[in-house]
Amino acid sequence: ETGVTQSPTHLIKTRGQQVTLRCSSQSGHNTVSWYQQALGQGPQFIFQYYREEENGRGNFPPRFSGLQFPNYSSELNVNALELDDSALYLCASSRDYYEQYFGPGTRLTVT
Amino acid sequence: AQSVTQLDSQVPVFEEAPVELRCNYSSSVSVYLFWYVQYPNQGLQLLLKYLSGSTLVKGINGFEAEFNKSQTSFHLRKPSVHISDTAEYFCAVIPHSGNTPLVFGKGTRLSVIA
Repeated sequence: ETGVTQSPTHLIKTRGQQVTLRCSSQSGHNTVSWYQQALGQGPQFIFQYYREEENGRGNFPPRFSGLQFPNYSSELNVNALELDDSALYLCASSRDYYEQYFGPGTRLTVT
Repeated sequence: AQSVTQLDSQVPVFEEAPVELRCNYSSSVSVYLFWYVQYPNQGLQLLLKYLSGSTLVKGINGFEAEFNKSQTSFHLRKPSVHISDTAEYFCAVIPHSGNTPLVFGKGTRLSVIA
C-alpha cells in the first residue's frame, strides 16, 4: 500500500510569487487535508477536501486555495506569497475523517 | 472549539529511562485522541490513537497512552527510551461529530541522552 506522497520536497520562492504544492493520497482514501506547520509550532489546519469538494476551512486568507482531483490527489495553491508563508506544508489523507495519515511535507521558503 | 495543551515543550531523558509526555485537552463534546511523532525534517507519523474501549492504548515503538476522561488527559509513556526516540511529539484531538479538523498541541521535544 503506497503512503501519502508530496512534491516538491523543498521550494524557494520570492515574495509576491505564486506556488503550487501537490499531494497524492493513500490508496482507498477519499479525504485530503492540508496543514501549515511554522517552525517550532504544531500543524495548523488550512482546509479539507472530500470527494473533490472543499469540506472545511481554517483561518487562512482566500489566497490559499486548493483542488482535489477524481483520483483524490490534491493541490494547494498560494498566491501573493508573503514572508510569513515560509513553513512546512503537510498533506494528510483519510478514509474516515478522523484517522489521518500524513505525507513527508513540502518545505517552502519565501525570501 | 477544542484546544490541546502539551505541558512540557522540552523533555530531556537519559537512554533506557522511562518517560511521560503530558497532554491535556479541552472540549465540550466527545473527541478522538491521537499522538503523532515527527522526526527531524520529516512529516508526522501516527504513534497511537484512542477511539473507544479500553482507556490504555498501545502504539508503535513501545509507546502507550492512557485516556483519562475526568482529567481530560491523554499522557504518552514509554518504560525505556532509546536514542532513536529523539523527536517531536504532538498530541491531537478531533470531535466525534466530524466536519472539524484535527487540533494539535504545540509539541514536546523529546531528547534522549546517551
